Amino acid sequence: RKEVEQDPGPFNVPEGATVAFNCTYSNSASQSFFWYRQDCRKEPKLLMSVYSSGNEDGRFTAQLNRASQYISLLIRDSKLSDSATYLCVVNPSGGYNKLIFGAGTRLAVHP
Amino acid sequence: GAVVSQHPSWVICKSGTSVKIECRSLDFQATTMFWYRQFPKQSLMLMATSNEGSKATYEQGVEKDKFLINHASLTLSTLTVTSAHPEDSSFYICSASPQGSGQPQHFGDGTRLSIL
Repeated sequence: RKEVEQDPGPFNVPEGATVAFNCTYSNSASQSFFWYRQDCRKEPKLLMSVYSSGNEDGRFTAQLNRASQYISLLIRDSKLSDSATYLCVVNPSGGYNKLIFGAGTRLAVHP
Repeated sequence: GAVVSQHPSWVICKSGTSVKIECRSLDFQATTMFWYRQFPKQSLMLMATSNEGSKATYEQGVEKDKFLINHASLTLSTLTVTSAHPEDSSFYICSASPQGSGQPQHFGDGTRLSIL
């Protein structure tokens, strides 16, 4: 079983749609959780950290369910510029150091 | 903000060549840097943790004699792919964060390595 699993997609949605990505992780002792965004042939960029209480940043909402070892990302009012691959990332020991990446979920937003 | 520079961004070379990739933290010091590899449509896989002034820590399955890491200063780590073969063709990317800051890792732009 992979340490971090994601639906690879692609998710093809129209502008303005709401889309949700899911992720599961295998190490129940994991401490830190993140969503990164990676554009084609580019480096990953931190989108947001994920906290147990859930957190929101503009159109993006992240949720964490430790009991189910499940992380989600919700994007509201999708923009063309949201088209990218979204990476679910876990750090078993906390902080930002040793990151375990999921394979990513590809999102394509069309006009 | 913190910037990590990686060089070169693209390398094409013949099988058997050794290729050196540099990772520099431009405006901060980093005692630890990380090297990842990403094959097409796959996740970034951590290859090794580069420690300034000491030996790198390699992940399971990564050959330390194949992928030589040197972290000679607080702002520079290098990854040398020795005697590269076509199966080593991949996207190599480094990351670092200001030491002791607790800040997120900043990634270099990556190096796309193609071995013919």
